[in-house]
Amino acid sequence: NAGVTQTPKFRVLKTGQSMTLLCAQDMNHEYMYWYRQDPGMGLRLIHYSVGEGTTAKGEVPDGYNVSRLKKQNFLLGLESAAPSQTSVYFCASSYPPTYEQYFGPGTRLTVT
Amino acid sequence: AQSVTQLGSHVSVSEGALVLLRCNYSSSVPPYLFWYVQYPNQGLQLLLKYTTGATLVKGINGFEAEFKKSETSFHLTKPSAHMSDAAEYFCAVSPRGRDDKIIFGKGTRLHILP
Repeated sequence: NAGVTQTPKFRVLKTGQSMTLLCAQDMNHEYMYWYRQDPGMGLRLIHYSVGEGTTAKGEVPDGYNVSRLKKQNFLLGLESAAPSQTSVYFCASSYPPTYEQYFGPGTRLTVT
Repeated sequence: AQSVTQLGSHVSVSEGALVLLRCNYSSSVPPYLFWYVQYPNQGLQLLLKYTTGATLVKGINGFEAEFKKSETSFHLTKPSAHMSDAAEYFCAVSPRGRDDKIIFGKGTRLHILP
C-alpha cells in the first residue's frame, strides 16, 4: 500500500514552459486535492476533485489546470510557467465525513 | 467562514521542556479538528485528530491535544520535548457536514534548544 505518490520529486522549468505533475493514490479515495506551500503562507488549495471526472477551483487556481480521468490519478498542469509558481506542491486524498487528508511527499518546482 | 489561527509562527523550547502549540478556530458548530506534522523536506502526516467523544486525544510520538468547546481551542502539547520533535506543525479544521475540504492554519515551526 503506497498511499499517495507524486511524480516528479523535483523539477526546474524556464519561464513559459509547460509541465504536468502526477498524483496517484491507492486507497480508493473519492476526493483529491492539490496544494502549494510557500514560506509563511501555509498550505493553499489550488484545485480539488470530488470524484472521477470532476474538478473544482480552490483558493489559488489561476495559472493551473487539473484533470481527474481516473479515480486514482489527479494531474496538475502548468501551461506557461511563471517564476511566481516556484513552490512546493502537495497532493492529498481524503474521504468523508471528516475529510482527513493523506498527503504525498511533494514536488519541488523551480521556475527560472 | 471557518478560520484557523495558530499563535506564533515560531516556538522555541528546551529539550525536556513542555511543548505547547496553540490553535483556535472560529465556528459556531464544533468542527472536526486535526494536527499535522511536517518534517523537513517531507509531506504532512497526521499527528492526531478529534472527531467525537473524549475531548483529550492522544497522537503519535507522545503528543496530545484537548478540544475545548468553550474556548474554541485545540492546543497541542507534549510533556517533554525531544530533538526529533523539531518540525512544522499545522492545525486544521473540517466543518461537519458542510464542506468537502479542510482549512489549515499557517503553521508553527517548533525549534528544540539543546
